[in-house]
Amino acid sequence: GAVVSQHPSRVICKSGTSVKIECRSLDFQATTMFWYRQFPKKSLMLMATSNEGSKATYEQGVEKDKFLINHASLTLSTLTVTSAHPEDSSFYICSAYPASSGGTGELFFGEGSRLTVL
Amino acid sequence: DAKTTQPPSMDCAEGRAANLPCNHSTISGNEYVYWYRQIHSQGPQYIIHGLKNNETNEMASLIITEDRKSSTLILPHATLRDTAVYYCIVRAVTGANNLFFGTGTRLTVIP
Repeated sequence: GAVVSQHPSRVICKSGTSVKIECRSLDFQATTMFWYRQFPKKSLMLMATSNEGSKATYEQGVEKDKFLINHASLTLSTLTVTSAHPEDSSFYICSAYPASSGGTGELFFGEGSRLTVL
Repeated sequence: DAKTTQPPSMDCAEGRAANLPCNHSTISGNEYVYWYRQIHSQGPQYIIHGLKNNETNEMASLIITEDRKSSTLILPHATLRDTAVYYCIVRAVTGANNLFFGTGTRLTVIP
């Protein structure tokens, strides 16, 4: 199956700093990528939809100025958590939708990135 | 996306079949049933999906009722590595729609 890779898998940062998480589709082009956040023992919650070459679409309650999303190419989307606070500590997961999926609409997920803000 | 209802947890003996139910009574005609699972601290893994016919692959079988209001994911011979949270999701295959995750079923395979 298609491969989606996230980096870093784990990151620890100090409060007030910014952290960038990368999501790459390794063997397919993805015009659309999705960013999810997952708190301990909770389900995945969609944060935003990242569209190549255009602005991301954010879900209600997600601050676009705090969670900056850039989708500059068909294989890379980045999520930057700006001025991180301890409450931003979470598991961040991206998924990518192949441009040539043949209509099945299957989404492929990255391994996740665990952010800990001290 | 239509909502789904799953039991919060299930246990299954190792080597036995695990049958995970899902109710999706408000499913629309153009919505598929998808199953994903998430092993602790990993991203979700695709298992199987179907529209109205039963489906089988190397991982599992998907049984969808004739009225499409419910489905069952079957892991024929559960192993300890199948312990995970299993998510049943219904989604229309029109464009790049995301997946809305419910609470899923936490399956524990017992030695």
